[in-house]
Amino acid sequence: QQQVKQSPQSLIVQKGGISIINCAYENTAFDYFPWYQQFPGKGPALLIAIRPDVSEKKEGRFTISFNKSAKQFSLHIMDSQPGDSATYFCAASRRAGNMLTFGGGTRLMVKP
Amino acid sequence: KAGVTQTPRYLIKTRGQQVTLSCSPISGHRSVSWYQQTPGQGLQFLFEYFSETQRNKGNFPGRFSGRQFSNSRSEMNVSTLELGDSALYLCASSLLSGDTDTQYFGPGTRLTVL
Repeated sequence: QQQVKQSPQSLIVQKGGISIINCAYENTAFDYFPWYQQFPGKGPALLIAIRPDVSEKKEGRFTISFNKSAKQFSLHIMDSQPGDSATYFCAASRRAGNMLTFGGGTRLMVKP
Repeated sequence: KAGVTQTPRYLIKTRGQQVTLSCSPISGHRSVSWYQQTPGQGLQFLFEYFSETQRNKGNFPGRFSGRQFSNSRSEMNVSTLELGDSALYLCASSLLSGDTDTQYFGPGTRLTVL
């Protein structure tokens, strides 16, 4: 059972544009929602994370929007750059332990 | 501070063999988690160890096992390898366990089963 659904699977954006990736979860016990960025040949690296007590969190060009009632959250990358081209994963976990449930991933390509 | 290191980086085995992968966490980190990454199933949690004790286990068969040593280094073992075990195996470390502590991933070990 896929508990975190991510869309789209792939995304092409022009340099300077906004990249938007969406995730939906099923388990209401999840209370931590991180986003990871992965480059080829590397492990995932934490980008930004949010807890359900806030609706939005911004760090530089990266913003997470969180809708608890809809059980959805999204990543917005403002002013997208070619260096942002990577695979992005949303994830969710419960407070007890470090077991992350990942979405299927979105391959982002930012065209110069 | 050095990051999470995994050895070996690449491994080729044949069906039926067993394999042991190693992970050295960031200095001071006591929690180590293992994940399997495949094109078809994505990133899936295998297990987590904290202070030499398995805290959580994912939905994988008993052929997958792990352990953690007193210095927090961890190993995972896969016995009786199957073709479907071909994957990138990722190790992640965090300072503590619980309260959603940030996990830092290593580069992974690419296992190919022939």
